[in-house]
Amino acid sequence: GAGVSQSPSNKVTEKGKDVELRCDPISGHTALYWYRQRLGQGLEFLIYFQGNSAPDKSGLPSDRFSAERTGESVSTLTIQRTQQEDSAVYLCASSLRGYSNQPQHFGDGTRLSIL
Amino acid sequence: AQKITQTQPGMFVQEKEAVTLDCTYDTSDPSYGLFWYKQPSSGEMIFLIYQGSYDQQNATEGRYSLNFQKARKSANLVISASQLGDSAMYFCAMREGRGSTLGRLYFGRGTQLTVWP
Repeated sequence: GAGVSQSPSNKVTEKGKDVELRCDPISGHTALYWYRQRLGQGLEFLIYFQGNSAPDKSGLPSDRFSAERTGESVSTLTIQRTQQEDSAVYLCASSLRGYSNQPQHFGDGTRLSIL
Repeated sequence: AQKITQTQPGMFVQEKEAVTLDCTYDTSDPSYGLFWYKQPSSGEMIFLIYQGSYDQQNATEGRYSLNFQKARKSANLVISASQLGDSAMYFCAMREGRGSTLGRLYFGRGTQLTVWP
């Protein structure tokens, strides 16, 4: 596909369980980003990967959150011991490079609901 | 302090009319980029338009234009000839060009635009 692909599109899980969200960026895009969008809110930055550089993890809200990316391909965002406040839409984006003038292209998101 | 401020939670416009969505930003970085995104009820984020801090002219993309007033730190989105399909949430976002925050987009809280016939 031509766009950013995220899976699953929806995830419902019980409090305390671990979840793993997947993002497949646009082919050739070296930069990848994760954001969180709570209901009725703007997007909140979580983490940024640029090529083989060390990721910018400064937006991760707690040590229960982690993300990995292998090379310039798929990324996974893992939330351990989920809490109800983790309920949100998790959006992944990619851009051609990490330059400030490059638009970020977003996937459709994963809607995460914690019971 | 908020990096991006959108003061209009909701806006209404009649079809075929023009509408301006407000955005102000706060940064001390001389190099930055400003973006507008559209988010329909289906949830996807659609990139609309970009303005660089060093661009001399206001950006335009079809019916979208960005009214960039650098001294006022303002980057308003103008939609001309509104269409029913323009009804959506609109987000203003900024990316700083240097420093440790390079990469992230700062988003405003959004403006819900409703176009009525």
